Amino acid sequence: DIVMTQTPLSSPVTLGQPASISCRSSQSLVHSDGNTYLSWLQQRPGQPPRVLIYKVSNRFSGVPDRFSGSGAGTDFTLKISRVEAEDVGIYYCMQATLLGSFGQGTKLEI
Amino acid sequence: EVHLVESGGSLVQPGGSLRLSCAASGFTFTKYWMNWVRQAPGKGLEWVANVNQDGRGKYYVDSVKGRFIISRDNVKNSLYLQMDSLRAEDTAIYYCAGGEYWGQGTLVIVSS
Repeated sequence: DIVMTQTPLSSPVTLGQPASISCRSSQSLVHSDGNTYLSWLQQRPGQPPRVLIYKVSNRFSGVPDRFSGSGAGTDFTLKISRVEAEDVGIYYCMQATLLGSFGQGTKLEI
Repeated sequence: EVHLVESGGSLVQPGGSLRLSCAASGFTFTKYWMNWVRQAPGKGLEWVANVNQDGRGKYYVDSVKGRFIISRDNVKNSLYLQMDSLRAEDTAIYYCAGGEYWGQGTLVIVSS
C-alpha cells in the first residue's frame, strides 16, 4: 500500500499571504502509463471534497489560478499564492497510481 | 453539467446489509475508473474500492474485502456498492468519485 504523508497538519495563515502544503508518498507515483496520478482536494467546512489539482499540476475547471501544484516521484507541493477567506478548510493529497490513498489532511485556518 | 448523485445510505444494525447507488451524468462515464471513498465522522478521507472501465477489475481496501462488492452498469451510467456484514466502524459518509468528479455523499450509520 502507498502511504501519503502531509505536512504540516495545521497551517495558520494570513489573508493575502502565500501558503504551502507538502505531500510525500512512500513510493514513486509514476504509473506504468507514464502519468503521475497525484491530486489535491479541498474540503470546506460542511462540504464534500472537490478536486483542485490533478496529475500533479493540472488545475481543474473553475479553480482559481492562485492554486498551483508541483512535484515529481514521491514529493509534491500545493501552493496558494495569496490566501483568501474562502480557502479555509482541509486539504488532502490523494494518489490513484496504485489503488487509492489519501494524506491525513492539512487544516488551513486564518 | 456533471452530476454524481449517491443514494441508499441509512441507519442499519451491525451485521446488516446496504446497497449504495451512484447515478452519473454530464460526463463520459465509461471512460473512467470509478471509486467509493468514505469519511467517518470528524475523520479524514479513506479510499474504499474502485472498478475499472469495463467493470471486470475491482479492488478494495483490506478492511472491506470479503464484505463489500463494487459494481457498475455502463448502460445506466451507475455505480454500486453492496455492503454486507456491516460494522460500527463502517459508519461514514460514502462518496462516489470518478476522475476529477465527486458526488455529495450518502450517510451510512451502523448502530444498534
